[in-house]
This record gives sequence, C-alpha cells and structure tokens, in this order.
Amino acid sequence: AQRVTQPEKLLSVFKGAPVELKCNYSYSGSPELFWYVQYSRQRLQLLLRHISRESIKGFTADLNKGETSFHLKKPFAQEEDSAMYYCALSGQGSNYQLIWGAGTKLIIKP
Amino acid sequence: GAGVSQSPSNKVTEKGKDVELRCDPISGHTALYWYRQSLGQGLEFLIYFQGNSAPDKSGLPSDRFSAERTGGSVSTLTIQRTQQEDSAVYLCASSYRIAGGDTQYFGPGTRLTVL
Repeated sequence: AQRVTQPEKLLSVFKGAPVELKCNYSYSGSPELFWYVQYSRQRLQLLLRHISRESIKGFTADLNKGETSFHLKKPFAQEEDSAMYYCALSGQGSNYQLIWGAGTKLIIKP
Repeated sequence: GAGVSQSPSNKVTEKGKDVELRCDPISGHTALYWYRQSLGQGLEFLIYFQGNSAPDKSGLPSDRFSAERTGGSVSTLTIQRTQQEDSAVYLCASSYRIAGGDTQYFGPGTRLTVL
C-alpha cells in the first residue's frame, strides 16, 4: 500500500539547534517526494521537492530509496521555522494526486 | 496573478443545517482538490476534480458530503445535515494538471463550526 509516515506529531527544538523532521514512505515504484509547510495564519505551500535538489530557507531533504525516507533537515533552526510540516508523495509520471503524511508540528524555542 | 480563493472564510452553523463552501481556483488550473484539516489532525483528502469530473469520491466522509465543479472553474462543497464532527477547516487547492508532481496551490480555507 502507498503510505507516507511522519512519526512525530510534535517536535520541539531550541533556536540554533539542528532540526530533522522524519518522513518514511511506502511505494512500489519511483516516487516523487515533497515537503509542504504551513506557517501560522498562512496558507499551506510547497517548501521543496526532491527532484529539484534545492535548499529552501536553509532546509534540505534527500531521498533515500534504500531506507525509503525523505527526512527534512536544517542545521541551525530559527524561530520563524515554527510551523506545520507535511511530507507528501506522488507516483512519478502518473495521473495521481498526492498522498499526504499526518504532519509534524515544529516548535522552535527561543 | 490571483491565488486560490475560498468563501466564506468562517462559517458558524447549527447542527442539522446544510452549508455550502466555495472555491475559486487559479485561472487555467484544471485540477482542483478539497481537503479537511481538523484540530490537531493532519490533512484529510476528500475529493479531486479533473476538469468538471470527480473520478474518485471515496474520500468523502459520508453521503452527506457532495461536491461539484462547473465550467472547469469554481467548485462547491456541500455538507447536508451538518454534525458537530464536521467542524474543521476545509481547504481547497488547485494545480495545473492532476499529475501529482504538479505543485498544489492552497486557498486560505473555510473554518466551519457546527454548534
């Protein structure tokens, strides 16, 4: 079955500390993976996608096919990173909507 | 250009009443999605449209929920005989195509409160 798992509902770290939001997936083919973010009182929006290999707002995510993971990382957390983060999966090249994880609420403590 | 808009932004209704939620997608986007976001919960996928058709309605929580899209643009989500458990933020998103790789652009949501 196709599934995205975000094991942490809540993650709280101090400002300046490294952050890692975990995402594991189950998919039989070659997926496309995404991270979406929702800041307080803002719309849900795309943060990054694995195919673009970008670093957005200091965040990176590497697709590890062996471990079927797509963890989101940032070396030094900032207070403005506090938000709800969703990992999502799509079947590459397929006519398909996204499969969403349950989300992780990230709180950066001052 | 204008983003996805939703109306109303807030809706308070009494249990048993019907409500209609509206979504205006980005112009030219053929795919439109409805989600529900309950307090403390993640995103719950409800239904998607490719053009005016909704190939998969299995995500709708019950037969009290229905959705339509006309003219390949505006969509309405209707909840009949609302229940307290229907209270949530209802999000709409659109993308250029239904292909999952296309970025989904979200609206601000409609916060529904059923008393």
